[in-house]
Amino acid sequence: GAGVSQSPSNKVTEKGKDVELRCDPISGHTALYWYRQSLGQGLEFLIYFQGNSAPDKSGLPSDRFSAERTGGSVSTLTIQRTQQEDSAVYLCASRGESGNTIYFGEGSWLTVV
Amino acid sequence: AQSVTQLDSHVSVSEGTPVLLRCNYSSSYSPSLFWYVQHPNKGLQLLLKYTSAATLVKGINGFEAEFKKSETSFHLTKPSAHMSDAAEYFCVVSGWTGRRALTFGSGTRLQVQP
Repeated sequence: GAGVSQSPSNKVTEKGKDVELRCDPISGHTALYWYRQSLGQGLEFLIYFQGNSAPDKSGLPSDRFSAERTGGSVSTLTIQRTQQEDSAVYLCASRGESGNTIYFGEGSWLTVV
Repeated sequence: AQSVTQLDSHVSVSEGTPVLLRCNYSSSYSPSLFWYVQHPNKGLQLLLKYTSAATLVKGINGFEAEFKKSETSFHLTKPSAHMSDAAEYFCVVSGWTGRRALTFGSGTRLQVQP
């Protein structure tokens, strides 16, 4: 697609429920990143994919968080048993093989009530 | 290793006056540097980037930044602020690969007074 697309753009969920956030990167981009931005905070790195592989998952804050990427394209970030502290904007970004510019999506705004 | 320091958490200017947002970096190799802008309730938008070509980089909306290796700085400037420039600005240093391919500064919130 023309840009990085994320869905849902907004999600309100009850504490304890599972949520899935989707990222569709720019077509042909091999690298995909997830970041989290909590209210008034900077950007927290979560996970990085190169193709379908995640070389390093140590940015994920707990084992309730997981992510996968299939077909070298779409990625899903799953948060199980959501907690109020999970409320944040989850940003996805992608980068092409030959470039070093990383392009961000509009984010998925998650509110846990 | 790489790091980024944005020297001001908040900057307030009057509309029509110059903008200066300061950024210092450290990197063990020749870095690529970026400025991203985030308007309220929006994602991150690329303003401009430096990738070892011209040291003075022009971006969108009249912004520009100058890469100064001797000072390890990449300050963002604009001659005349507009109300629509009010946003959060992030200075970013990039490596080519690896999990921390982007290292973000803590951000500078720009306020533009009428």
